[in-house]
Amino acid sequence: SAVISQKPSRDICQRGTSLTIQCQVDSQVTMMFWYRQQPGQSLTLIATANQGSEATYESGFVIDKFPISRPNLTFSTLTVSNMSPEDSSIYLCSVGDLFEQYFGPGTRLTVT
Amino acid sequence: AQKITQTQPGMFVQEKEAVTLDCTYDTSDPSYGLFWYKQPSSGEMIFLIYQGSYDQQNATEGRYSLNFQKARKSANLVISASQLGDSAMYFCAMSNFNKFYFGSGTKLNVKP
Repeated sequence: SAVISQKPSRDICQRGTSLTIQCQVDSQVTMMFWYRQQPGQSLTLIATANQGSEATYESGFVIDKFPISRPNLTFSTLTVSNMSPEDSSIYLCSVGDLFEQYFGPGTRLTVT
Repeated sequence: AQKITQTQPGMFVQEKEAVTLDCTYDTSDPSYGLFWYKQPSSGEMIFLIYQGSYDQQNATEGRYSLNFQKARKSANLVISASQLGDSAMYFCAMSNFNKFYFGSGTKLNVKP
């Protein structure tokens, strides 16, 4: 299994600002995924990030709001831009494929 | 269309007893994977068990077993000998067509 770390683990941000979340994996992986989990809800996939190509966003998520970088096979960042209180969520990165998927510890974001 | 359905928002179980968490899924693809994750209040997603659609035997991992009934499209999680540390949210998920789909979750409370 992959060991995944995320930074920061939690943050409190002012509305209108941006936060960049980092995801580091201890081995090279092809696909990395970013999820959002709003309070009391299930996980929703934001986008899939493959190294060397543009991220693929799910319906309802746009690059201007959630830009993603994937500079190499062990690292990715997700930026939450121009934040509003509705962006208060846990953001999780994961790696894997159809047969296994492992998650980072999550970033708990509160927007005031 | 709902891909994964968990009909039990909350469950209670007495410590040391067994509990079954329900999960049904919907897909027309014969190739898929089924997963269960545990999410404690800390927010991390902990992988518990995996079942492939072609697996003949039900998956087991320690106290966790997956009751896979392919014709009924169900993948229930059975936790034997519940412990207080099992209190958490439990999510059923399916990998299908290169995507992951999560159910709405079941909150399990283990009573001493």
